[in-house]
Amino acid sequence: GQQVMQIPQYQHVQEGEDFTTYCNSSTTLSNIQWYKQRPGGHPVFLIQLVKSGEVKKQKRLTFQFGEAKKNSSLHITATQTTDVGTYFCAGQAAGNKLTFGGGTRVLVKP
Amino acid sequence: GAVVSQHPSWVICKSGTSVKIECRSLDFQATTMFWYRQFPKQSLMLMATSNEGSKATYEQGVEKDKFLINHASLTLSTLTVTSAHPEDSSFYICSARPVAGGRSEQYFGPGTRLTVT
Repeated sequence: GQQVMQIPQYQHVQEGEDFTTYCNSSTTLSNIQWYKQRPGGHPVFLIQLVKSGEVKKQKRLTFQFGEAKKNSSLHITATQTTDVGTYFCAGQAAGNKLTFGGGTRVLVKP
Repeated sequence: GAVVSQHPSWVICKSGTSVKIECRSLDFQATTMFWYRQFPKQSLMLMATSNEGSKATYEQGVEKDKFLINHASLTLSTLTVTSAHPEDSSFYICSARPVAGGRSEQYFGPGTRLTVT
């Protein structure tokens, strides 16, 4: 079945620095979605990418969908303590369901 | 907008009893709701897809007779964990996909933490 892998599993970042988390699917996707889960909370929808090569920005967050629609990345600039949490990508192929990656747990050092 | 509630937020039950968890979309209608299970520091594992007015679709390895799902309306789905055992202790999260506009993003409820003693 479809698998979605995310790297790195953990990301320790100095406040103010940039980092990127990567997401790779075993199959071509119709869309990819990103979610953020704060410690003790539930996943919150961030964004959806649909088009090949699509790039979307949300303030300090830049999301990219690969040309082959099998990979994606999330780049955060000037990391802040509010960025702490786990970022999940979730790929949707044919059908209804999303397959979640393992998540990147982000810890910010002040 | 796009708020999903879950009740209860946490529950402790004795082994062998059943627990019902409700998932409601408060300000939108959802033909499809999803039930996930999440162990500490792990990802979300889809258990089943709940379709309004029809039987749920269970993922491989999920016992449909143990995890009963009912999706009676466009705003409510329930998950009943029957004959719960300690290994069923987990964080159960539902999500709902809005009907309108062919949207595919999901909105998650706050989760239910189940502890079986």
